[in-house]
Amino acid sequence: QSVLTQPPSVSGAPGQRVTISCTGSGSNIGAGFDVHWYQQLPETAPRLLISVNNKRPSGVPDRFSGSKSGTSASLAITGLQAEDEADYYCQSYDSRLSGWVFGGGTALTVL
Amino acid sequence: EVQLVQSGAEVKKPGESLEIPCKGSGYSFTTFWIGWVRQMPGKGLEWMGIIYPADSDTRYSPSFQGQVTFSVDKSTNTAYLQWSSLKASDTAMYYCATASRWYGGYFDYWGQGTLVTVSS
Repeated sequence: QSVLTQPPSVSGAPGQRVTISCTGSGSNIGAGFDVHWYQQLPETAPRLLISVNNKRPSGVPDRFSGSKSGTSASLAITGLQAEDEADYYCQSYDSRLSGWVFGGGTALTVL
Repeated sequence: EVQLVQSGAEVKKPGESLEIPCKGSGYSFTTFWIGWVRQMPGKGLEWMGIIYPADSDTRYSPSFQGQVTFSVDKSTNTAYLQWSSLKASDTAMYYCATASRWYGGYFDYWGQGTLVTVSS
């Protein structure tokens, strides 16, 4: 059971918009700690997708965006493409555990 | 270009020891944290902990404290993840990754991963 809760799966048709939620608590996201997102394509290492809630590293398309409010965060993907089919993970810091925590991951299927 | 290069797959027996490397290049090795992440077969990412190469300041996840050891060799820009006695439940992919800060930080560059299989 992950400290950060994500839906196991989401899906959307090409061109559509999807969102992935990441729900935490008062010891992590709700305490003001930043949320970061990673994309893991099949059989590859994860890569940083969004840092510090809403910042895109160089090379990440602007179709990807992040937001945070209260004890939750969201990753939005617009103009869905087949190449976006991957697992997505949120990550933050937890003061009760004194360490980093990942969400359980969300598998995105492009229909 | 920042690169983290990890070693190839390992197959070990329960009770054996193992040390897997993560060699950094293209950046100042001692000024960025290096963390380790476990991914068991078909499962999600788990944060194991993180080490600061400059002074070996180390933070372990409570789930991995006492189960593994992190170390670095500054002369070769290499970080290591070590087990003294492997268990079948250690079978997983292990990734190393860099972070600019430990408190509230994130992993910006990742290694390709080392698959560890523990089986009798």
